[in-house]
Amino acid sequence: GDSVTQMEGPVTLSEEAFLTINCTYTATGYPSLFWYVQYPGEGLQLLLKATKADDKGSNKGFEATYRKETTSFHLEKGSVQVSDSAVYFCALREKTSYDKVIFGPGTSLSVIP
Amino acid sequence: DSGVTQTPKHLITATGQRVTLRCSPRSGDLSVYWYQQSLDQGLQFLIQYYNGEERAKGNILERFSAQQFPDLHSELNLSSLELGDSALYFCASSPGGLAGGGETQYFGPGTRLLVL
Repeated sequence: GDSVTQMEGPVTLSEEAFLTINCTYTATGYPSLFWYVQYPGEGLQLLLKATKADDKGSNKGFEATYRKETTSFHLEKGSVQVSDSAVYFCALREKTSYDKVIFGPGTSLSVIP
Repeated sequence: DSGVTQTPKHLITATGQRVTLRCSPRSGDLSVYWYQQSLDQGLQFLIQYYNGEERAKGNILERFSAQQFPDLHSELNLSSLELGDSALYFCASSPGGLAGGGETQYFGPGTRLLVL
């Protein structure tokens, strides 16, 4: 079945460091891809998304490009801030008649001053 | 604020008991999803309803059931509770539609369930 794999955490970075969180997926078709973020004590929020190959999603300085050839959707940010400390989930959504979303295990990020 | 509300925020109960978690979707959203988040299992999709009907089923135990009412709010019923059911339960909503595709899901703040 469809699945999402993310790099293991936790990830600890210094402020202003470059961030990459790897995400790869397995899907039978061409799903939509998402990154969600969960701040401590809160629910998940959509960070960015891409619905077809070569699309780039971006928001709040974060970017991810839908790479069909490598089945990847890696999350990047050029300069992280302490406020970016959170858990990041990669997810895919099958473009079928129903809307089930499959989430990766999440990657915890801590940014230290 | 996502516009999705969940009650209660916290719930403490004993093994063998039954509880009901409630979710109100964003205004106009027809789809409601339930997820369980635990330390060992991560975020698991349980079930989805669309306009009152079950649309998709994930890793939902037989002891769990859900429904979506005509006003579109949803309830998740958990019965014969076990220690391992302790988790954060999230509800999410989306506009819904036959071709879900890139629709965003909006998550509620969750209900933290502790089974003692």
